[in-house]
This record gives sequence, C-alpha cells and structure tokens, in this order.
Amino acid sequence: TQLLEQSPQFLSIQEGENLTVYCNSSSVFSSLQWYRQEPGEGPVLLVTVVTGGEVKKLKRLTFQFGDARKDSSLHITAAQPGDTGLYLCAGENYGQNFVFGPGTRLSVLP
Amino acid sequence: EAQVTQNPRYLITVTGKKLTVTCSQNMNHEYMSWYRQDPGLGLRQIYYSMNVEVTDKGDVPEGYKVSRKEKRNFPLILESPSPNQTSLYFCASSSGLVNYEQFFGPGTRLTVL
Repeated sequence: TQLLEQSPQFLSIQEGENLTVYCNSSSVFSSLQWYRQEPGEGPVLLVTVVTGGEVKKLKRLTFQFGDARKDSSLHITAAQPGDTGLYLCAGENYGQNFVFGPGTRLSVLP
Repeated sequence: EAQVTQNPRYLITVTGKKLTVTCSQNMNHEYMSWYRQDPGLGLRQIYYSMNVEVTDKGDVPEGYKVSRKEKRNFPLILESPSPNQTSLYFCASSSGLVNYEQFFGPGTRLTVL
C-alpha cells in the first residue's frame, strides 16, 4: 500500500511569516497534486506537479516536486489569513488510484 | 456552472438500513471516484470508475458498492451500514486529460447509529 506523509500536522503562524509544508512517500507517483480544503467544503486543486525537480509558482505559493518524484513541498511567502485551511497532497498513478496524505492544518493569525 | 453535486449533504441512519448517496457531475468527465475522510487519516479512496460500466476498488472498498450506468452519475451504496462507516464522504470527477486533476463535491456527512 502506498502512503503519503505530511509534516507538520498542524501549523499556526502570524500573518506575514513564511512557511513550508512537506509531503513524503517511499513510492513514485506519476503526478502529485496539492489541494486546499476549507471547513464544510470539498478539497480544491491548487497545482499538479509531474516532472521530477519541477517547480511551480502560484502567486505567493511555490510548489516543488522531488527529483525522484516521491516527495513534494509547498512554500508560502508572506502568509495571509486567507491562506488558512487544510493542505492535502495526493499522489496519483495514471488514474488507477489516488493516495492522499493526512494533511497539514494551517492557521494564519492576523 | 461546472460542478459535482452530492445528495444528501447530511444523513443520520441506523445500523443495517440500506442507503444510497448520489453523485452527479455536469462536466462530461469520464473519471469519477468516492472517498471517505476521517480525522487523522486524510482522504481514502473507496471506489473509482474510469468510464461507464468500468469500476474498480480503491483502498477501502469493504462494505460499499458503486455503479456507473451513465457517465454523469456515480452512486455510492451501503447495503448494510455499520457505525464504523460514520464519516465524511466526498465524490470527485476528472476529465483524465490533465493528470487526473479532480473536482470534488461538497461532501456528505453520514452518521450510522
């Protein structure tokens, strides 16, 4: 069974700080996706990384896929209260199955 | 508006009483999937379907059934619910064209007494 681990599990920071969230696995995935979930709602896709070593930027969010396609990181610059939520990484194998990490719950305090 | 809808959003039932949670998408997506979300465990895939009449087990299929008779609908059936199936359920769909990026429904909170 493939597993994804995320760290930290919880993170509470002040507005304006930077942070990094990690997603690690012993398995290789065809792509890795990051989602954000807010209370009472379904996850919403932020980004997909496919190529080992790939870096994608989405405004203040920077996503990186490890060279071996087993791990990924999400870096947020100058966090804002609107970034508060549950961040989930998900590994995908050509649509055959999805594996989600347990999530990092981020709280950004004003 | 492109969306995935689920019904009901909330359901309280008793052990052994058969129930169906419906899922429908209006994006003509071929891929659909069901997940359950439990505290500390994240989202776990129950079943997925890559096209009409094609379904396959995910990581936690025991106690669940699905069917895919039409492209837009993917109902989740619990023939004899038990308390350990109390959870938050999400349906998702994907075109499969761009790395299977998924669109999620709003969730169904199920309580089995």
